[in-house]
Amino acid sequence: DQQVKQNSPSLSVQEGRISILNCDYTNSMFDYFLWYKKYPAEGPTFLISISSIKDKNEDGRFTVFLNKSAKHLSLHIVPSQPGDSAVYFCASNSGGSNYKLTFGKGTLLTVNP
Amino acid sequence: GAGVSQTPSNKVTEKGKYVELRCDPISGHTALYWYRQSLGQGPEFLIYFQGTGAADDSGLPNDRFFAVRPEGSVSTLKIQRTERGDSAVYLCASSLNGLAGLGETQYFGPGTRLLVL
Repeated sequence: DQQVKQNSPSLSVQEGRISILNCDYTNSMFDYFLWYKKYPAEGPTFLISISSIKDKNEDGRFTVFLNKSAKHLSLHIVPSQPGDSAVYFCASNSGGSNYKLTFGKGTLLTVNP
Repeated sequence: GAGVSQTPSNKVTEKGKYVELRCDPISGHTALYWYRQSLGQGPEFLIYFQGTGAADDSGLPNDRFFAVRPEGSVSTLKIQRTERGDSAVYLCASSLNGLAGLGETQYFGPGTRLLVL
């Protein structure tokens, strides 16, 4: 039973436009959320995170929004660039764990020039 | 070394054989994690070390899997009697204090691609 769900396996956008990647979670005990980015043949790299006490966190072109009542978060990339093309994983701390992360299946983002 | 390194990068073995996968974490990181990523899935937690001890091995699928970190730095994931279903990318990560769930960044290695024929 997937506790972190990324229902879109892939997303394609034009360079300069907004990319919106979505993630849903089922466990209300999760209180910290992260996005990781993965290029082929490399390990995931941390992108941005948000605590459940916030509803928005911004870092340059990347913004994460958290809707606790809907158990939903999204990652916005504006403007999208071809170098953003990668697999994006949503993750959360499992049951409020200090160290254990549960990952979604990932969404492959393709940004077309 | 700046990042987490893993060796080998690729491993092909036959069903029933024994394999060892090695992880070199970032120097000074007390926490080390192993994950498994199967095709089309996200990384799945296997085991977490704090220093030399396995603080949580609840993700290991069965007793064919074992991991050690004898000196609190390098770790080895050992798989006995490999099965075709063990084929996956095995990822290692490290963090400074083991607080990845509270905002401490986990740094991942590039992974070892294991193929069991």
